[in-house]
Amino acid sequence: QQQVKQSPQSLIVQKGGISIINCAYENTAFDYFPWYQQFPGKGPALLIAIRPDVSEKKEGRFTISFNKSAKQFSLHIMDSQPGDSATYFCAASEEGAQKLVFGQGTRLTINP
Amino acid sequence: KAGVTQTPRYLIKTRGQQVTLSCSPISGHRSVSWYQQTPGQGLQFLFEYFSETQRNKGNFPGRFSGRQFSNSRSEMNVSTLELGDSALYLCASSASQGGGYGYTFGSGTRLTVV
Repeated sequence: QQQVKQSPQSLIVQKGGISIINCAYENTAFDYFPWYQQFPGKGPALLIAIRPDVSEKKEGRFTISFNKSAKQFSLHIMDSQPGDSATYFCAASEEGAQKLVFGQGTRLTINP
Repeated sequence: KAGVTQTPRYLIKTRGQQVTLSCSPISGHRSVSWYQQTPGQGLQFLFEYFSETQRNKGNFPGRFSGRQFSNSRSEMNVSTLELGDSALYLCASSASQGGGYGYTFGSGTRLTVV
């Protein structure tokens, strides 16, 4: 019940296209859903996060869509650029747990 | 402002040895969490400290331990190293009282056990 399932494992998108990464969870107590971006040799960096009282959040080219009834959330990267090539992780946490549960990650490659 | 600093960046140890990793959080951050990252298991929570108290611990054997000092700096220790302990160990700090909110991660310590 603590798992967060992420798909796809890898994704190749052409420059200018839309990258979409999906995550699903079971624990209805989760109340915070962040996305992280990780480049080789670096730690994950927080991209954008959402709470379950909101169905969508947009920051620049990055949008989280959240479907509470389906227990799913997704990251959309609009106008994908080669510099977006990285590994992306979704995660979830519940109040009081003092930890994040991460998805397995998606390796995104943007072809120029 | 300076980010989360982890030292050393790389370590090679032999099976059976022990190792200590260090993490200096962002100034003013009192919550420090540790994660293990491996290709097979992904990112897994080790433990979280706030004001020198361990508030949560992940599903790891007792060989994995940690502590936090009064200046919020944290160390983690792995004793009797096994080959499977080879991983990237990440430290994250947060201004909030845990929950994973607003984590800033360091670049990690790459531990190789031979």
